[in-house]
Amino acid sequence: EEQLLQSGGGLVQPGGSLRLSCAASGFTFNSYAMGWVRQAPRKGLEWVSSISGSGGGTDYAEFVKGRFTISRDNSKNTLDLQMKSLRAEDTAVYYCVKGGGWGILAFYMDVWGQGATVTVSS
Amino acid sequence: EIVLTQSPGILSLSPGERATLSCRASQSVTSSYLAWYQQKPGQAPRLVIYGASSRATGIPDRFSGSGSGTDFTLTISRLEPEDFAVYYCQQYGSSLAFGQGTKVEIK
Repeated sequence: EEQLLQSGGGLVQPGGSLRLSCAASGFTFNSYAMGWVRQAPRKGLEWVSSISGSGGGTDYAEFVKGRFTISRDNSKNTLDLQMKSLRAEDTAVYYCVKGGGWGILAFYMDVWGQGATVTVSS
Repeated sequence: EIVLTQSPGILSLSPGERATLSCRASQSVTSSYLAWYQQKPGQAPRLVIYGASSRATGIPDRFSGSGSGTDFTLTISRLEPEDFAVYYCQQYGSSLAFGQGTKVEIK
């Protein structure tokens, strides 16, 4: 069974940093693009970032460019999101997602992690 | 940047009725790269449809997707109690973007 198990999240002050991690199992990790999607309280889904299967290509939503960094370790089957200069508006549940099909950076999302809550508040 | 607009915002129906959800794109979606997701309260979203009309693994055949270009539709032929949820469309033909969601609620 394909699974994504997330860790990280928590309460952080504005301007602070946080790292989210996602451990994948049940599929050939380096064959698929991966990404992060977030959902603010009582709001819709919002794409955050994507990374290609090799890790050589990345893409970011405008609102996180320069502040968030996506990375993957194909030897450990893990995906990370390093978040810096966090703002109150970054408060959300963050989901790790697996790319379906063969899209390099743009894809549908066929497996979702359980979500990690990030709260940015003083 | 492609913007997706879903309608209606809320759909109030009874079990057994047909649900028709719309997703309109601000420009043509490449190769019908459009997906639909179902989300229930407190849960992660679940893929329902990809490629505009292909059902994801485990999705019952009462769910169907159609459309191309800028207009796409998700149809649930006969609503079951477990189908009441929020549905999002997402395009992946040009970067990635989601619609704002349609809530299907029990009338």
